[in-house]
Amino acid sequence: GEDVEQSLFLSVREGDSSVINCTYTDSSSTYLYWYKQEPGAGLQLLTYIFSNMDMKQDQRLTVLLNKKDKHLSLRIADTQTGDSAIYFCAEVLHGSSNTGKLIFGQGTTLQVKP
Amino acid sequence: GAGVSQSPSNKVTEKGKDVELRCDPISGHTALYWYRQSLGQGLEFLIYFQGNSAPDKSGLPSDRFSAERTGGSVSTLTIQRTQQEDSAVYLCASSLVSLAVTDTQYFGPGTRLTVL
Repeated sequence: GEDVEQSLFLSVREGDSSVINCTYTDSSSTYLYWYKQEPGAGLQLLTYIFSNMDMKQDQRLTVLLNKKDKHLSLRIADTQTGDSAIYFCAEVLHGSSNTGKLIFGQGTTLQVKP
Repeated sequence: GAGVSQSPSNKVTEKGKDVELRCDPISGHTALYWYRQSLGQGLEFLIYFQGNSAPDKSGLPSDRFSAERTGGSVSTLTIQRTQQEDSAVYLCASSLVSLAVTDTQYFGPGTRLTVL
């Protein structure tokens, strides 16, 4: 089946690291994505990881993938108040009938306290 | 254009009316997607277009929903006889080549639909 699960809320202090977790169910997913949504705005692509990778780092962002457990995490180092947003994990399904279809988690609201 | 654009940004309508939502994808992107974001259902896939292939309509919630993509570019999502449960933010995304593994989807700002 197609299902992506995330915790709904995370609160951290400015300067701390944030870790947002996600689990997915479809082992055939080739890419996994993290999107950010600020209030009143659309979805902004943050980063993605190919399924044969364990880790990807991009400036303050680190993505870890445990394919055996189907677990994905996003770590934000030195979290800033501007990082406050909803973060969505998504897997992409490829196939004759659902090519490119994104399946999203419920979104994790990150609150950064000054 | 530089990004995916959608219009209108906000739409308020009365129950039973028809509405049309428009999406302009990134120039050169052959794949176009519609998603819906609502409080109760989160982000849901609605429909996908790729080039001249038949669209994947598997996510459309009812036959009141339809979409077309003219000339392989602009797309219109039409909701007939709107119901209050149709109230949501409708998001459009485009990607360069859907069948390639690097078909990252870029999203527009969305249209917020409110059905009174």
